[in-house]
Amino acid sequence: AQTVTQSQPEMSVQEAETVTLSCTYDTSESDYYLFWYKQPPSRQMILVIRQEAYKQQNATENRFSVNFQKAAKSFSLKISDSQLGDAAMYFCAYRSQGGSEKLVFGKGTKLTVNP
Amino acid sequence: NAGVTQTPKFRILKIGQSMTLQCTQDMNHNYMYWYRQDPGMGLKLIYYSVGAGITDKGEVPNGYNVSRSTTEDFPLRLELAAPSQTSVYFCASSYAGARNYGYTFGSGTRLTVV
Repeated sequence: AQTVTQSQPEMSVQEAETVTLSCTYDTSESDYYLFWYKQPPSRQMILVIRQEAYKQQNATENRFSVNFQKAAKSFSLKISDSQLGDAAMYFCAYRSQGGSEKLVFGKGTKLTVNP
Repeated sequence: NAGVTQTPKFRILKIGQSMTLQCTQDMNHNYMYWYRQDPGMGLKLIYYSVGAGITDKGEVPNGYNVSRSTTEDFPLRLELAAPSQTSVYFCASSYAGARNYGYTFGSGTRLTVV
């Protein structure tokens, strides 16, 4: 079974600075999908960014980008020019290519943004 | 707005009571899921369904039951509530073949068992 590990329970960053959240995963599959979700205090789960394992190019979405290292099974999230609204729980998630396409989540990283 | 609708948003149950958490989606998604979120533990899969009439257990199914009689609805039943079931519950859905798009989540139900 696949597992996802987020080794940083909490992180903090100054407004306008850059922060990187870590995620590693364990799988024997070659094709899969990786996601970062944001959960603000409203509790809503918001998709931040996604990466297909077969793509070598790292995904970017505005101020959010990933560093995908397939051989190392690493999928970190970089937030540039951090804003107060970025404060939230961030979850890394893995999804298989086939089967029921279940998402496997890490335990999350709580990000605090200091003004 | 289209999406996943969960009701209720909050509920307090007494030990031994039963209840059903409702989940409805209007996107014609094949797949639906129930997760629970405990502090510091991420989201864990309770049950899932790949289509009407088909359900299967996830990682933490004990104490719960589900049914899927229509594409739209996927209710989660708690029988004999226990304090260990105090959690936030999320329903989610996705379209088969759109694996790279992740899930659409409901807004969650915060359940407290006392």
